[in-house]
Amino acid sequence: SAVISQKPSRDICQRGTSLTIQCQVDSQVTMMFWYRQQPGQSLTLIATANQGSEATYESGFVIDKFPISRPNLTFSTLTVSNMSPEDSSIYLCSISPVWEQFFGPGTRLTVL
Amino acid sequence: DAKTTQPTSMDCAEGRAANLPCNHSTISGNEYVYWYRQIHSQGPQYIIHGLKNNETNEMASLIITEDRKSSTLILPHATLRDTAVYYCIVRDRDDKIIFGKGTRLHILP
Repeated sequence: SAVISQKPSRDICQRGTSLTIQCQVDSQVTMMFWYRQQPGQSLTLIATANQGSEATYESGFVIDKFPISRPNLTFSTLTVSNMSPEDSSIYLCSISPVWEQFFGPGTRLTVL
Repeated sequence: DAKTTQPTSMDCAEGRAANLPCNHSTISGNEYVYWYRQIHSQGPQYIIHGLKNNETNEMASLIITEDRKSSTLILPHATLRDTAVYYCIVRDRDDKIIFGKGTRLHILP
């Protein structure tokens, strides 16, 4: 199984600021996924990040709000920009090397 | 949108088999049925997947109806640690995972 780590594990931020979340994988993967889980809700896919190309965003998510970088096959970042309290969520990165899809431990973000 | 329908919640007595149903009436021929669970404050965990045959692994069994429009995840001897939200997902092998609301399973002592 793959090992996925995320930094930070949690943070408390002021509205209007931005936070960059890092995702590191212990193996090379083509696609990485970023999800959001709002309190008490299911996971919602934000975007799919392929190395060497622009991320593909799901309906309701835009690059200006959630810019994503994918500099190599083991690393990705998600930035939550100009944060508001509605952005308070757990953000998870995920990979799907073969059959299974693996998820990181998540970053718990609270926006005041 | 999620392509599956699951009950919102279920209870099961500890030590009994937990049977979690899922409807996926619009599943296409190349889509697999996947099950994940999410224990509180953790990332989702893969359980099992199948195409049309029944599958079994160390965690669970997956029973898929012949018409593939529904399936059942079976946890043979539920323990308190199986309390979680269980997600039934249909996807093409190389496709992204879209989560529905899942079933909140409570294992009762």
